[in-house]
Amino acid sequence: QAVVTQEPSVTVSPGGTITLTCGSSTGAVTSGHYPHWIQQKPGQAPRTLIYDTSNKHSWTPARFSGALLGGQAALTLSGAQPEDEAEYYCLLSYSGGRRVFGGGTKLTVL
Amino acid sequence: QVQLVQSGAEVKKPGASVKVSCKSSGYTFTSFGITWVRQAPGQGLEWMGWISAYNGDTIYAQNFQGRVTMTTDTSTTTAHMEVKSLRSDDTAVYYCMRDPRGDYWGQGTLVTVSS
Repeated sequence: QAVVTQEPSVTVSPGGTITLTCGSSTGAVTSGHYPHWIQQKPGQAPRTLIYDTSNKHSWTPARFSGALLGGQAALTLSGAQPEDEAEYYCLLSYSGGRRVFGGGTKLTVL
Repeated sequence: QVQLVQSGAEVKKPGASVKVSCKSSGYTFTSFGITWVRQAPGQGLEWMGWISAYNGDTIYAQNFQGRVTMTTDTSTTTAHMEVKSLRSDDTAVYYCMRDPRGDYWGQGTLVTVSS
C-alpha cells in the first residue's frame, strides 16, 4: 500500500502565508491522484476544503488554495487567521480506486 | 439541504460485529458514492473503503478486506458499514463521506470495543 507523507506540524504567524505539502511513496503526485485536502478541528467532524487538486467548495475560504508543486500536492494558506488552526489531511487516490490519507499536518497560528 | 446522519454510539465486546448506518437526505442518493473513514483516539484519518450507491460496487482498503462489508439501501437512502471480529484497536469514530468530492460528512459514530 502506498504511503502518503505530510509535514507533522507547521507554524504560521497571523496574516502570514504557509504551504502544506503531500507526497506519495509511489512517485510524483499528479492530477490523476485527485488530491483532496481535509480540515479537522478538535472535537469536530472533518470537512473537505479542496477536491481534485484545486477545486474549492462553497464554504472554502478564499485564502486557501490547492495546486501541484514539485511532484507533490500543496495546500497554500494566504493570510492565516486564528480560526485556521487545525489538523489538515490530504487524501490521494490510486489505481483500482483505493485511497490513502496522509498522516496529517497540525497547523498552529502563532 | 444535504445531510448525512449517522447512527448512535456503540459499545461492543471483542469478537462481536457492529453495523454503522449513514442516512442520506437532500439529494439523489444513487448519483453519488459513500466513502467510510475512521479515526482512532488521538490518531489520524484512515480510509476504509467506498461504495457506489448506484450499483453497490465496493472497493475496500486492504487492511479491511474480508472483515468489513459496505452496503446501501436505496429504499431508505441509507449506507451501512459492518465490521466483524472486532478488536480493541477498532475503537474509533467512524465517518461516512459523500463522494466523489467529499463535500458532505456525517457527524461520526463512536464505536468502543472493550471486554
